[in-house]
Formats: sequence, C-alpha cells, structure tokens
Amino acid sequence: AQSVSQHNHHVILSEAASLELGCNYSYGGTVNLFWYVQYPGQHLQLLLKYFSGDPLVKGIKGFEAEFIKSKFSFNLRKPSVQWSDTAEYFCAVNTARKSSGDKLTFGTGTRLAVRP
Amino acid sequence: GAGVSQSPSNKVTEKGKDVELRCDPISGHTALYWYRQSLGQGLEFLIYFQGNSAPDKSGLPSDRFSAERTGGSVSTLTIQRTQQEDSAVYLCASSFGPSSYTFGSGTRLTVV
Repeated sequence: AQSVSQHNHHVILSEAASLELGCNYSYGGTVNLFWYVQYPGQHLQLLLKYFSGDPLVKGIKGFEAEFIKSKFSFNLRKPSVQWSDTAEYFCAVNTARKSSGDKLTFGTGTRLAVRP
Repeated sequence: GAGVSQSPSNKVTEKGKDVELRCDPISGHTALYWYRQSLGQGLEFLIYFQGNSAPDKSGLPSDRFSAERTGGSVSTLTIQRTQQEDSAVYLCASSFGPSSYTFGSGTRLTVV
C-alpha cells in the first residue's frame, strides 16, 4: 500500500522567509500528487496538484511544488511567506489506479506558523 | 448544493452511545469519501462509494463503523458503541474525478 511522509511536523518562520515543506511517497507506479491547506477553522482546500507533464506546478497564493520522480518527492515551496499562510499543510497521493478511484492517502500534515 | 455539506458540525456523545454523521455531496458527484482527522494523525481514509459499485470499506477501523449511501447521494456514517478513541473530525468529500475533489467542513465528534 502507498504511504506519504511529511518530515516537518511544525515549522515556524518569520514573514518574508522562504518555505519548503518536504513530502515523500512510497509507490512504484503512476501517481497523482496533491497539496492541501487547512486554515484555522476552515475546511481543506486544494493548493495545487500534479497529474502529468511539467514537474514544476504552480498553485494558488504563490505556492509551487516540484515532482522529482527519482526521489519520490513532491516538495512544496513559497519564496516569501506571509502571516496569512499560517495553516496546516497536507501532502496527498492518489495511485491513479482505476480500482482505487480517487481515494487519497494523506501525510500527517505540517503546521506552519508565520510570525508577523 | 454549492459545496459538500456535513451535519452536525459538532457532536458530543457519551461513551457507548451510537452516533450518525451525515454528508450531502455536491450534486452530480458520483464518488463520496469519508476520512477521519485525528490530532497528530493526519487524515485517515475510512470508506469510499463510487456510483452503484460495492463500497471500498478497507479503511474502517472496526466493525463498530459502518456507512451507507442512499440513492447515490446522501451518505450516513454510523459509529456504534462509541469509544473515546473515536473522538476526531470526520470529513466527507465528493468528486467526479481527482481534480474535482471537494471536502466538507467536517463533524467534530467528542466522546466523553
């Protein structure tokens, strides 16, 4: 079965600092990759997704992620964070097999706190 | 509706009681999923419905958990004889493809 690892559980940054959150998955076949964000008191929202093509994907609010197949990684980046980026970030994988439908396997999440 | 609707938003129940959580998916979405979000555990897949196919129940943690989806629309997740470890946020999502995945705001269940 596939699994997703997010190595940073808590990250604290000052505004304008650069952000990189790690995500690694274990599955040898074709995958679809996602980053979701959950702002305090809100529901999960999609930040960005990768299905195929250019491995560098851009999402909302200035976030981007790079799929590196050889490293089974899909790290999330933002050049300059803002206080409003304070949230919990989840990496997720879908194995793109018909039998699994769109079932997502999530990492344990990374809590980001941005100091003003 | 415009989004995935879950009710109740909060539920406090006594240990040993049964609870029912409801999910109204987005109209036209053929797939419906239940996940559980526990502190420090991320999101855990519970069950998946796709059209008229048999549901994928592989994530249900015990036989106290069950779910049904009536008429291909509304779904109810039932937890029998609740335990304190069942306390979590239960999230529902619906989709008609991986790019249309939409989550509800969840039901926060507290077992006391």
